[in-house]
Amino acid sequence: NAGVMQNPRHLVRRRGQEARLRCSPMKGHSHVYWYRQLPEEGLKFMVYLQKENIIDESGMPKERFSAEFPKEGPSILRIQQVVRGDSAAYFCASSPPGGLATNEQFFGPGTRLTVL
Amino acid sequence: GNSVTQMEGPVTLSEEAFLTINCTYTATGYPSLFWYVQYPGEGLQLLLKATKADDKGSNKGFEATYRKETTSFHLEKGSVQVSDSAVYFCALSGANAGKSTFGDGTTLTVKP
Repeated sequence: NAGVMQNPRHLVRRRGQEARLRCSPMKGHSHVYWYRQLPEEGLKFMVYLQKENIIDESGMPKERFSAEFPKEGPSILRIQQVVRGDSAAYFCASSPPGGLATNEQFFGPGTRLTVL
Repeated sequence: GNSVTQMEGPVTLSEEAFLTINCTYTATGYPSLFWYVQYPGEGLQLLLKATKADDKGSNKGFEATYRKETTSFHLEKGSVQVSDSAVYFCALSGANAGKSTFGDGTTLTVKP
């Protein structure tokens, strides 16, 4: 039973380019969460999605960032016109349906974005 | 809103020493509480959890007790090993499913 998959593991972009980060949740999981970890800091919530719906995007920057979780395929976190401050590790997590707070989240290995 | 405050690190211990990493939280309702561990270059792995007051979570020699009266969930281990060197995150999940709130992490280094 594969865990949460994220790709790419490492992504290098120049300022102004677009970054696309992909996350495939664990089999049977329908809830996906994206977190950002800046160097030497904890994880900060960005967005919570269920299939085809954004449930909570309170942690998403208002501009340049967007996320989707289509009916088919992985969840995508998209960062347009990247800046150096976007350099961070981006983690995806998933949890099973039912929506109970007692369900822990299962994390992927992360995508480490470096903006030159 | 919800918040988690963790003991600041880094923490350096000798092998077989006793470990405590403090964690306190602020939340409405009755959250679930978690400890996650992150090894270098990897994602977070669940270490243990507790879902209601006075529950004790335990795994791999680590323990933490959900103390509602002190709003705490301190992580303890009686005898640490070099392989326990990692970053430890305390987290809570609110009464409704959704985002988890994480502490800033505590880096533990265990020396032989």
